[in-house]
Amino acid sequence: NAGVTQTPKFQVLKTGQSMTLQCAQDMNHNSMYWYRQDPGMGLRLIYYSASEGTTDKGEVPNGYNVSRLNKREFSLRLESAAPSQTSVYFCASSSGLAGGDTQYFGPGTRLTVL
Amino acid sequence: QKEVEQNSGPLSVPEGAIASLNCTYSDRGSQSFFWYRQYSGKSPELIMSIYSNGDKEDGRFTAQLNKASQYVSLLIRDSQPSDSATYLCAVMSSGSARQLTFGSGTQLTVLP
Repeated sequence: NAGVTQTPKFQVLKTGQSMTLQCAQDMNHNSMYWYRQDPGMGLRLIYYSASEGTTDKGEVPNGYNVSRLNKREFSLRLESAAPSQTSVYFCASSSGLAGGDTQYFGPGTRLTVL
Repeated sequence: QKEVEQNSGPLSVPEGAIASLNCTYSDRGSQSFFWYRQYSGKSPELIMSIYSNGDKEDGRFTAQLNKASQYVSLLIRDSQPSDSATYLCAVMSSGSARQLTFGSGTQLTVLP
């Protein structure tokens, strides 16, 4: 099992460009999450999907949109990138069932917006 | 705003010593608590989860939870240079949202 995979690993954008970060999990998990990590600030939740067909805002949703394409895939879209969105983005998943709180993380996407 | 606070560090301990990492949280209704380890340039990986008051041991790691004091800690016994990493405390919110709130992390260096 690959666990949680993310593409791309690195990306450089110019201000105003758009892009989609892809995430997939092969653990048959119900819940998926997108976080960003900035130096000295830990991880902050952008959006999450408790189950297929549902998405909800997290702590820092502005400037982002998400799509839960199916049970395996959860994508994050930046419509008009800004330098403030320079960060490391992590996707995570969990079973979402009682006692299945543990979140498993993908390898991350390092995004730079110039 | 639900908050999770960790000692900012960095923390340095000699090889073989006990490293003590601390975390406090503001949401009194929180029920699930996690410690993640993150090596530089890598993603967080789970070390321990704890749900009940008291101690939980797994090898060289012991997690301690005190819900009355809203405090969770991680002890690493016989610290090794390979334990050098940033340790993230994470708390799951009360209610149905099941969101994790992370602390900013404590950077640990184990000196050979």
